[in-house]
Formats: sequence, structure tokens, C-alpha cells
Amino acid sequence: GAVVSQHPSRVICKSGTSVKIECRSLDFQATTMFWYRQFPKQSLMLMATSNEGSKATYEQGVEKDKFLINHASLTLSTLTVTSAHPEDSSFYICSARDPGQGGNEQFFGPGTRLTVL
Amino acid sequence: KQEVTQIPAALSVPEGENLVLNCSFTDSAIYNLQWFRQDPGKGLTSLLLIQSSQREQTSGRLNASLDKSSGRSTLYIAASQPGDSATYLCAVSWDNNDMRFGAGTRLTVKP
Repeated sequence: GAVVSQHPSRVICKSGTSVKIECRSLDFQATTMFWYRQFPKQSLMLMATSNEGSKATYEQGVEKDKFLINHASLTLSTLTVTSAHPEDSSFYICSARDPGQGGNEQFFGPGTRLTVL
Repeated sequence: KQEVTQIPAALSVPEGENLVLNCSFTDSAIYNLQWFRQDPGKGLTSLLLIQSSQREQTSGRLNASLDKSSGRSTLYIAASQPGDSATYLCAVSWDNNDMRFGAGTRLTVKP
């Protein structure tokens, strides 16, 4: 299947700083990528849908000014957590669809563990 | 509202036992349904993807079924092994766009 990578895999930062997480599709071009968040012992919750060349679509309750998404190329989407606070500590996972495989199945990155002190 | 529910939340079985994990969803007009495995602190591993037109998919000891009319899917694991211990997530797409995840079933297979 298609491969999606995320960087960094783990990040620890101080409260008030901004953190950027990258999501890359390694062997396909992804017009659409998705960002999920998973709090401990909970399931994944969709945060936003990232479309190449256009603004992201955010789920209800997700602050677009706090979670900045940029999908500037067909292989890269970035999620920036601005002015991070301890409550933003979570596991962030991105996914992408491969149009070459019918665009039906989502392929997930390995996730990024964010800890805000 | 489109929701995904998984039962049970946790399951513990002895090695070698066959088991069934359940997933139910509101709104039967789904696009596809996918089962994932997640190990503690790790990302997702896709297990099986069932298109809306399909009734089941099989991979090795895993078999997933789909009954759209009743809004249910089951993941059957045959001859369970300790290495199967993980959280199993069911996710549903209704419009080939985003996915909605269930809360997961935490499986423990005891040696």
C-alpha cells in the first residue's frame, strides 16, 4: 500500500511555543489529507480536511487559528499548533488518499506525540 | 448524526480462542468501512477495507463482514494469539471523504 510519513514522531515543547508537524505521502500524490487527534485512551477524532491548493475544512470545535494547516504541494501537508498549551498534548495522526488506487482507502502516518509542558 | 460504536470496549481471551469484535454505525448509506489495529502509543495499521458493495473481506486469520441494512460490521479473529493483543478500531466513511472512528475494542490475548 501507499506510504505516509510524519515528522517529528515525538516532540516536547514549552507552553506558548508553536509546533509544526509534517505529513508526507512518499510514493503518491495526495490531493486530500486528513488530520486526526487522539487523546489518551480515546479514539481518533477528525480535526480537519486538508485540500491541496485551498483552505482546509475544519471540524466543529476545532480552532482554525490555533491549528494552522497548509497543503502547499501534492505530497506535503503541515499542521502547526500555535501557542501550544498542555491541553494540546495529544497524539496527532495524518492520513492521505491515493487517487491512483481509486482514492477510496486512506493511508495513515505513524503519528506524532506532542507533549506540552 | 453519523456515529460509530464499538462493543465491547475491552475483551480478554485465552490464546487459541476465536473471537468477534462488533462495530455498529448510524446511517446505513456508507461509502466504506475499515478495520484498524493500534498498538499502545503507535499509529494505525490497516487490517481490512470493505467497500459498500461488499459483504466481507478476509485476510489470513481475520474476516470482516458488513451488513449495511442493520448498520453492523464484525471482525472475526480465528485462533487468537498473544501477538493479536492491541486496540482494534472500526472507521466508517459516508462520503469518500473523512472517516469517523469508533472508540475501539482493547483486546488482550493471554498465553
